[in-house]
Amino acid sequence: EDQVTQSPEALRLQEGESSSLNCSYTVSGLRGLFWYRQDPGKGPEFLFTLYSAGEEKEKERLKATLTKKESFLHITAPKPEDSATYLCALTHFGNEKLTFGTGTRLTIIP
Amino acid sequence: DAGVTQSPTHLIKTRGQQVTLRCSPKSGHDTVSWYQQALGQGPQFIFQYYEEEERQRGNFPDRFSGHQFPNYSSELNVNALLLGDSALYLCASSSGLVLTGELFFGEGSRLTVL
Repeated sequence: EDQVTQSPEALRLQEGESSSLNCSYTVSGLRGLFWYRQDPGKGPEFLFTLYSAGEEKEKERLKATLTKKESFLHITAPKPEDSATYLCALTHFGNEKLTFGTGTRLTIIP
Repeated sequence: DAGVTQSPTHLIKTRGQQVTLRCSPKSGHDTVSWYQQALGQGPQFIFQYYEEEERQRGNFPDRFSGHQFPNYSSELNVNALLLGDSALYLCASSSGLVLTGELFFGEGSRLTVL
């Protein structure tokens, strides 16, 4: 069964202080590893999909990377508006559902 | 370009009642999936609809049922509501049966069961 574990559960950073969020996974036949951002009371907002080990994608201050066992979401010089819960999810071949982790709640302090 | 739209945004029901939630997919999408998100948890897959048929189902009881209409919109029905059904219900849309790219979510319907 697919498993996704995210760490840390919560992270508080000063504005401008770079860091990384971790997503460890267990899957047989990874099709895609997804990152979403979710604001309180809102639906998840799509950020990235990664498909193979070694792949990297960037969007503004965010960069996602993928290895065979984990994915990292790197946040460079974050701003208060980057505060949100970041969710990691995956799907495997033959399966059309996303299996989500419980998320990392990120707070950026001005 | 309208994204995924869901209604209602909030609703309150009592135990034993029934509820229907509605979803319109993003323009150009023909596949709809439903997820349940309890407070502090990640979304859990309920089921997926494509070509008006349920294609895949998660670990949810038969009290959870759905429907997809010819215009690709979808409904989620929950019968005999329990307190534990209180959650944010998310609809997601994509293109085609096989999930190969982005999956877009709506803002959700917040269900409270008293």
